[in-house]
Amino acid sequence: SQQGEEDPQALSIQEGENATMNCSYKTSINNLQWYRQNSGRGLVHLILIRSNEREKHSGRLRVTLDTSKKSSSLLITASRAADTASYFCATDNTGKLIFGQGTTLQVKP
Amino acid sequence: GAVVSQHPSWVICKSGTSVKIECRSLDFQATTMFWYRQFPKQSLMLMATSNEGSKATYEQGVEKDKFLINHASLTLSTLTVTSAHPEDSSFYICSAPGQGLPKLFFGSGTQLSVL
Repeated sequence: SQQGEEDPQALSIQEGENATMNCSYKTSINNLQWYRQNSGRGLVHLILIRSNEREKHSGRLRVTLDTSKKSSSLLITASRAADTASYFCATDNTGKLIFGQGTTLQVKP
Repeated sequence: GAVVSQHPSWVICKSGTSVKIECRSLDFQATTMFWYRQFPKQSLMLMATSNEGSKATYEQGVEKDKFLINHASLTLSTLTVTSAHPEDSSFYICSAPGQGLPKLFFGSGTQLSVL
């Protein structure tokens, strides 16, 4: 069964704007990860946040984790057309990654 | 960075035939690989965990005899869809954990279309 739910399911913004995606999960976790998938391709790891961390940055990406609410958010700042893709959160609590439903992001030039 | 190669990228086959998908870790050894299935505009569903030198571990609801997994070496895992039917049409993706890292490296996926 799927662990995570993401919202929004789809997001359309203009280049330069920020994009925020949210992920909720159900069970305890060791870490939470965010991945990106371009259409018809495999997934690429973006960032990992451990259960004892609250915020993490990587370039234009900012991830937060609230274990009390069992939720995480991914913020992409100053978006670019090349950021257009699907973004998935994935939780790890047994050595297996369980993926959320994903958010499809479209960044218009 | 670690690279996972998956072949073929796409395959079209007739109903009743079997299809083999290969997943290779190119620059690292993978004792474990994961096979996922993805329907259009949906999430990835974990099908099974492939273990080098031992039997694969299947997720609930996944037919072992339908989806045969073999992990014969530290760099190769294969998924064979046996007696494929149109409902098996899907995007199949393999992945492997990097050594010492909890994150996964993914193959580029295989789009299977069964006519």
